[in-house]
Amino acid sequence: AQSVAQPEDQVNVAEGNPLTVKCTYSVSGNPYLFWYVQYPNRGLQFLLKYITGDNLVKGSYGFEAEFNKSQTSFHLKKPSALVSDSALYFCAVSSTDSWGKLQFGAGTQVVVTP
Amino acid sequence: DAGITQSPRYKITETGRQVTLMCHQTWSHSYMFWYRQDLGHGLRLIYYSAAADITDKGEVPDGYVVSRSKTENFPLTLESATRSQTSVYFCASHSNLEGNEQFFGPGTRLTVL
Repeated sequence: AQSVAQPEDQVNVAEGNPLTVKCTYSVSGNPYLFWYVQYPNRGLQFLLKYITGDNLVKGSYGFEAEFNKSQTSFHLKKPSALVSDSALYFCAVSSTDSWGKLQFGAGTQVVVTP
Repeated sequence: DAGITQSPRYKITETGRQVTLMCHQTWSHSYMFWYRQDLGHGLRLIYYSAAADITDKGEVPDGYVVSRSKTENFPLTLESATRSQTSVYFCASHSNLEGNEQFFGPGTRLTVL
């Protein structure tokens, strides 16, 4: 079985400050980790993924995430948040044992204030 | 246009009625998925399909039926809608390359009265 935890329902940050959205996971097999963003009344947009290789993954819109195998975490980060980053962020995991099927976290609402 | 589309975008129906949500993708992706999104639950997998005529249950399949006679289409049917099926439904697809991200449709907001 695989599971994803996003411990914060909401993250508040001032524009220009660093943004971190936390994610931990549990899988059998090697994990494939993803971050998606959802704007109001829209579908999910892919941000970045970790499959293998370098633990620091860079993605769209200046976001990056660090894979930490020992802590089973995949936190999303952005060095300087923008008001336009305000959205709902989802972490998701699949694995070599459940190939193709994603397990999503409950989501974290990010609010960036001017 | 290329991509993944869903129809209708909004639907209001009554308890007990049959409802079909449509999903169409133009990439010829092998895998297609149906999720429902509910507050506090994130997205939960209803059904998925690995190829035409191959479907399997996800986490919350009860009350739903799927079919996939053509690679590009993956309709989801609620045979007898219940209020608990009020939700936003997303269709997604990805290619048969391991580790590829899924691409999502715009969603269908379904209200069951």
